[in-house]
Amino acid sequence: EAQVTQNPRYLITVTGKKLTVTCSQNMNHEYMSWYRQDPGLGLRQIYYSMNVEVTDKGDVPEGYKVSRKEKRNFPLILESPSPNQTSLYFCASSPLGRSVGGFYEQYFGPGTRLTVT
Amino acid sequence: DQQVKQNSPSLSVQEGRISILNCDYTNSMFDYFLWYKKYPAEGPTFLISISSIKDKNEDGRFTVFLNKSAKHLSLHIVPSQPGDSAVYFCAASELNNDMRFGAGTRLTVKP
Repeated sequence: EAQVTQNPRYLITVTGKKLTVTCSQNMNHEYMSWYRQDPGLGLRQIYYSMNVEVTDKGDVPEGYKVSRKEKRNFPLILESPSPNQTSLYFCASSPLGRSVGGFYEQYFGPGTRLTVT
Repeated sequence: DQQVKQNSPSLSVQEGRISILNCDYTNSMFDYFLWYKKYPAEGPTFLISISSIKDKNEDGRFTVFLNKSAKHLSLHIVPSQPGDSAVYFCAASELNNDMRFGAGTRLTVKP
């Protein structure tokens, strides 16, 4: 089954304790992205990657790191989490670029709800 | 600065009636627009899309309308069903894979 998986699904942590949220896709997609969802703000892009070893900042990258050492994996790293990073996080993937006359929609993981106290 | 706006946080309709969800955007360079649907405890799933060269796209009960001069798009669901109750996100793309999302509208379809 084609899917994007994220782990953990729920995480409660304390300020300053480094954490990693994993993301993996089995569709051989080049493009992967991390979003956070906050009330009234929708989904905002944190980082994205267009292929292995190619990553770039999205709209809200402060306080986050990513890496893309393998095509299927795109972990999100919070080196020193703060309460304002309490949010619902989604990983997504798609083929790179545009399809002929169309657009490659992104496939989303189930989400990770993070609480930083 | 939100480039994609959904000004109605929630919408409630009766089963069988039409649901109309609205979305406005500010960036005239957007050339592709999508609607995603999200159920609780799940990730968003793609619903329907439209290219800027069209003004309408239909898929079963779902129709998306695009008014480029007004920078406005809408999603029509006819007839609405209780299973359509979800949060709907409007998204727009200017180039390649990047998308900008609206804040979402929670649709409740009452039996």
